[in-house]
Amino acid sequence: AQSVTQLGSHVSVSEGALVLLRCNYSSSVPPYLFWYVQYPNQGLQLLLKYTSAATLVKGINGFEAEFKKSETSFHLTKPSAHMSDAAEYFCAVSRGGAAGNKLTFGGGTRVLVKP
Amino acid sequence: DAGVIQSPRHEVTEMGQEVTLRCKPISGHDYLFWYRQTMMRGLELLIYFNNNVPIDDSGMPEDRFSAKMPNASFSTLKIQPSEPRDSAVYFCACRLVGNEQFFGPGTRLTVL
Repeated sequence: AQSVTQLGSHVSVSEGALVLLRCNYSSSVPPYLFWYVQYPNQGLQLLLKYTSAATLVKGINGFEAEFKKSETSFHLTKPSAHMSDAAEYFCAVSRGGAAGNKLTFGGGTRVLVKP
Repeated sequence: DAGVIQSPRHEVTEMGQEVTLRCKPISGHDYLFWYRQTMMRGLELLIYFNNNVPIDDSGMPEDRFSAKMPNASFSTLKIQPSEPRDSAVYFCACRLVGNEQFFGPGTRLTVL
């Protein structure tokens, strides 16, 4: 079975400050990991994904995440927050191949950006 | 490409009524997924199809829920009869093998 834990349901950052969103996963097989962003009243949009290639993954909008197997973590960072980053962020895990169809999502972290 | 299209975007109905949610996936994507999002339970996978065939419906909450995919460009999720606890945002997503899932904008369902 797979599971995802996102530490902190709400995060508040100042504009220009570092954004750090934590994600820990459990998986019995090498995982595929994803970060999605959801803006108000919209669907989920993929930020980045890890699929067993480079452990440091760069995504859209200046976000990146590092896969750390020893820590079973896939934390999301952005060096400098922008007001447009205010949204809810979801970490998700799946297995590879055909089994990769079943995404398991974390509970989400809502980011508030203060001017 | 217009992306995943869902209709209606908002639905308000009374308990006991039938509700039908619709989804048009991205052309060529052969996997289609239905999710439900609530504050209490987060994002849950309800069912997914591959090449129009239901593969896993283990997430469908009960017999009141049914989903169909009559062709590659259309899917429905039906709730009959609806109950207040079905109030949620329902997302449709699609996937091309090997790639990530693309989500629609969702249908916000309110059952009074």
